[in-house]
Amino acid sequence: KQEVTQIPAALSVPEGENLVLNCSFTDSAIYNLQWFRQDPGKGLTSLLLIQSSQREQTSGRLNASLDKSSGRSTLYIAASQPGDSATYLCAASFSGGYNKLIFGAGTRLAVHP
Amino acid sequence: GAVVSQHPSRVICKSGTSVKIECRSLDFQATTMFWYRQFPKKSLMLMATSNEGSKATYEQGVEKDKFLINHASLTLSTLTVTSAHPEDSSFYICSARSLATDTQYFGPGTRLTVL
Repeated sequence: KQEVTQIPAALSVPEGENLVLNCSFTDSAIYNLQWFRQDPGKGLTSLLLIQSSQREQTSGRLNASLDKSSGRSTLYIAASQPGDSATYLCAASFSGGYNKLIFGAGTRLAVHP
Repeated sequence: GAVVSQHPSRVICKSGTSVKIECRSLDFQATTMFWYRQFPKKSLMLMATSNEGSKATYEQGVEKDKFLINHASLTLSTLTVTSAHPEDSSFYICSARSLATDTQYFGPGTRLTVL
């Protein structure tokens, strides 16, 4: 069964700290992996998309990596700000079912001043 | 950029009524749209895959007669929750896969509350 797991479930850090969110998946035949941000009661905002042929993607203070062999992806947030507080979801699509996104349960991030 | 809208954003209805939720891709064509359900503080669970002009594919455990999906055009898919009950209360999110970029774009979600 294809599964996506995220740890930690919740994280609270002081402003300015660099942090890493973890995502693991059970099937190495991954097609792509996406990181999303979700604010309370809102929809999803796509942050980064990594294709299976790529090892990382960067956007501003965000960097996402993909290691297919170990079944892991990380989202690195540099110099965190209170405005980064949200739930971060990773989702993977796999070869053979590449239209279908399987989501992790998310990491709830709180950045306090 | 690619925009997906959902209507309504919030709906409250009585038990036993049916509710229709629309998902539209505003500036791109989508042969495939997806419907997800999200419970409080939980992740998104795929309910069904909607293909333009054909029947939707439902995930295991999702009642197709309960959640009717219609994908009549390349820009519109609808989800109808029939004979809604309080346990159907949830946050429903759709996404649309762009033909041009092969990327899914998500709508803002619809909060359904069944009294």
